[in-house]
Amino acid sequence: SQQGEEDPQALSIQEGENATMNCSYKTSINNLQWYRQNSGRGLVHLILIRSNEREKHSGRLRVTLDTSKKSSSLLITASRAADTASYFCATDGQSNYQLIWGAGTKLIIKP
Amino acid sequence: EAQVTQNPRYLITVTGKKLTVTCSQNMNHEYMSWYRQDPGLGLRQIYYSMNVEVTDKGDVPEGYKVSRKEKRNFPLILESPSPNQTSLYFCASRPDGQETQYFGPGTRLLVL
Repeated sequence: SQQGEEDPQALSIQEGENATMNCSYKTSINNLQWYRQNSGRGLVHLILIRSNEREKHSGRLRVTLDTSKKSSSLLITASRAADTASYFCATDGQSNYQLIWGAGTKLIIKP
Repeated sequence: EAQVTQNPRYLITVTGKKLTVTCSQNMNHEYMSWYRQDPGLGLRQIYYSMNVEVTDKGDVPEGYKVSRKEKRNFPLILESPSPNQTSLYFCASRPDGQETQYFGPGTRLLVL
């Protein structure tokens, strides 16, 4: 399967600033998910956006989806030190049983 | 507590010595999956299972085996490990009809 791509690969910002990371994918999708991974640990689901949605919010997270450009963005507002983690997007592609994962964006929040 | 557990969490072994990494979930999920994670490559799926006795290959199945004899367990077997299987392995599960996956804590494997 082809992977999605995220950019930037790494992002370092000051606490309190907003963090934006992007995900591009190659095939048509039914939905796109974002996950967070704290260093070397299991991934935790953050938010899912369906192909017929353009924007979705969950607490300090805002996700957008542009199916015409095959891209999504994750915005974390008012960042905190605890947001330091890697963030991955995953799309369902053509299968109900396989997700296509990006390589991730490593986010560092400086106190 | 609803969770996915993996054992062992860390393992150092030698080339050719068969090993099994166990995965168990207590959420009655139908779907389970194994991934490996390598630097710069994100997650790559090894095998997945839609339900008991139903498994299928993912993107990188070579050198791995799985079985799904019970709904809660989905062990990953390396019959003859090689150094290129050194990686961080994750098991995940989800209920049928839902997209959100629940991940185990990971197993870090080093093959010498």
